[in-house]
Amino acid sequence: DAKTTQPPSMDCAEGRAANLPCNHSTISGNEYVYWYRQIHSQGPQYIIHGLKNNETNEMASLIITEDRKSSTLILPHATLRDTAVYYCIVSNQGAQKLVFGQGTRLTINP
Amino acid sequence: ETGVTQTPRHLVMGMTNKKSLKCEQHLGHNAMYWYKQSAKKPLELMFVYNFKEQTENNSVPSRFSPECPNSSHLFLHLHTLQPEDSALYLCASSQEGGRAAGELFFGEGSRLTVL
Repeated sequence: DAKTTQPPSMDCAEGRAANLPCNHSTISGNEYVYWYRQIHSQGPQYIIHGLKNNETNEMASLIITEDRKSSTLILPHATLRDTAVYYCIVSNQGAQKLVFGQGTRLTINP
Repeated sequence: ETGVTQTPRHLVMGMTNKKSLKCEQHLGHNAMYWYKQSAKKPLELMFVYNFKEQTENNSVPSRFSPECPNSSHLFLHLHTLQPEDSALYLCASSQEGGRAAGELFFGEGSRLTVL
């Protein structure tokens, strides 16, 4: 029962903005959108989360559409170290029920 | 360094062995988790502990036995495993309630190979 849909892979040039899309058309009113990433051979790393307003932190920006049916994670100036699998997850129970899908494999090219 | 430490990082065991994975978090969090990541598969949630009490068992076979003696330590006891149990086992912690809810901190994982 997939709650989110992401492209399996994307490429981006180093120094450019990486924009990762996520569809969550069945999101309910109290569900948050979370983004994590997993660099090869490491545990996943929290990036950002939001409910309906756009959010920004030192790692990324999260843009959520007004109808909340999709969102975009933006890495403003991608570096080679941003190469990873990026997971978009929706949940209304905090970390207790985060279900990781296949994610998007982002490759940053020099 | 995430504040979550897992040992051992690598483990090879036979199907009749008994071994344990250990996880320790130095973040003062109130919830701890075990996840399994098999090759080519998404992460699977196995167990959730809140304030040392198990609140989630995601239909995990009894050959995996978790133990949470306090809020900072979590163990996964392994016995009579099968080769298909070979995977990366990830521990995580979180502080539930408030703005930080949903922010999981993961360890580096313990890579298990069952022969």
